[in-house]
Amino acid sequence: RKEVEQDPGPFNVPEGATVAFNCTYSNSASQSFFWYRQDCRKEPKLLMSVYSSGNEDGRFTAQLNRASQYISLLIRDSKLSDSATYLCVVTPDRGSTLGRLYFGRGTQLTVWP
Amino acid sequence: NAGVTQTPKFRVLKTGQSMTLLCAQDMNHEYMYWYRQDPGMGLRLIHYSVGEGTTAKGEVPDGYNVSRLKKQNFLLGLESAAPSQTSVYFCASSYARGGARANNEQFFGPGTRLTVL
Repeated sequence: RKEVEQDPGPFNVPEGATVAFNCTYSNSASQSFFWYRQDCRKEPKLLMSVYSSGNEDGRFTAQLNRASQYISLLIRDSKLSDSATYLCVVTPDRGSTLGRLYFGRGTQLTVWP
Repeated sequence: NAGVTQTPKFRVLKTGQSMTLLCAQDMNHEYMYWYRQDPGMGLRLIHYSVGEGTTAKGEVPDGYNVSRLKKQNFLLGLESAAPSQTSVYFCASSYARGGARANNEQFFGPGTRLTVL
């Protein structure tokens, strides 16, 4: 079983729409959670961290449910520039000190005018 | 700061040839990583290093070797390239270790697109 599972999409939404991505992780001892964004033929870049209490950054809201081992990303008022692949990322358990990250396969989003 | 740079950007090899991919970072990061990214597979860790002179195997190390002789550089070698190694290779670096709210942000290079014929 993969460490991180994501719905690959693609999601095709009009500008202004709200879209949500989900992700599940297999290791209940996982410590830190992130969403990365990867534009076509570019490198991944950190979008935001995900905290237990939930957190928001402008139009983006991230949620974590440790009991269900589930992470979500909500994008409100979608822009054309939001078109990208969104990667769900998890760090291993507390015993690891290697800074390793486990990446999901990514969810592709296309926002159309 | 240039961040993380990778050379070359593109390369075509024939089966059995060897090559070295170079990764350099100017952020004084301790940790460096090599990933490969294939369609439908996501990013998979090949090898990583937690400091100068140290390396370790990741998820898919077979067919690759690495060296970290200098803190700022991390080299990935293919001794005898195979078509299965056709992929996009990303190098990344990070500063902090794990922990509940530690900043594990990894900074990626622009990637190397490798084709093995």
